[in-house]
Amino acid sequence: EIVLTQSPGTLSLSPGERATLSCRASQTVSSSNLAWYQKKPGQAPRLLIYGASSRATGIRDRFSGSGSGTDFTLTISRLEPEDFAVYYCQQYARSPFTFGPGTKVDIK
Amino acid sequence: EVQLVESGGALVQPGGSLRLSCVASGFTFSSYWMSWVRQAPGKGLEWVANIKQDGSEKDYVDSVKGRFTISRDNAKNSVYMQMNSLRAEDTAVYYCARRGSFADIWGQGTVVTVSS
Repeated sequence: EIVLTQSPGTLSLSPGERATLSCRASQTVSSSNLAWYQKKPGQAPRLLIYGASSRATGIRDRFSGSGSGTDFTLTISRLEPEDFAVYYCQQYARSPFTFGPGTKVDIK
Repeated sequence: EVQLVESGGALVQPGGSLRLSCVASGFTFSSYWMSWVRQAPGKGLEWVANIKQDGSEKDYVDSVKGRFTISRDNAKNSVYMQMNSLRAEDTAVYYCARRGSFADIWGQGTVVTVSS
């Protein structure tokens, strides 16, 4: 099983600031089969990024993904009030398709 | 509008059974793998199972193998999860999702509580 580790656990930032979230895999994630999701309480998860760097339909360009192999990054260039949430990475290269534990981005 | 709507969540005793349903609309259901993902209270997301377009391939996380069965009915645009021998640790919000890999469309979730 591929284990994903996300850091930091919590990121305290102000609106307008840049957020950099890390996701590290215990094994190489082949073909960059990695996705990022945003999750808010009481809401369904929302797909942000797939294929490590492709933005999902309707996702604003302030969200970007990068990385390959075992190290991946989600960057939010300028935080908007609606961006404060928990972010999860997920690998879908090998079953079981595991999620990371999440990074909470909260308001400083 | 592309939409997934789950139902069937309930309070059930340990060892009991439950069947979750998910109805899809707004897209060609039979063209997509489908998945179930869950989130236990205060915990992160956990992929549970997925099923191929024609139902010929299915995969499960180890913790539910032999207890949960995913199925689909393309004529009814529906995917199901039969859950048997339920345990307290199965308590979660269960989401239906489109695609078997990353999930681009999600339902609103249905709550399963396993408790005596």
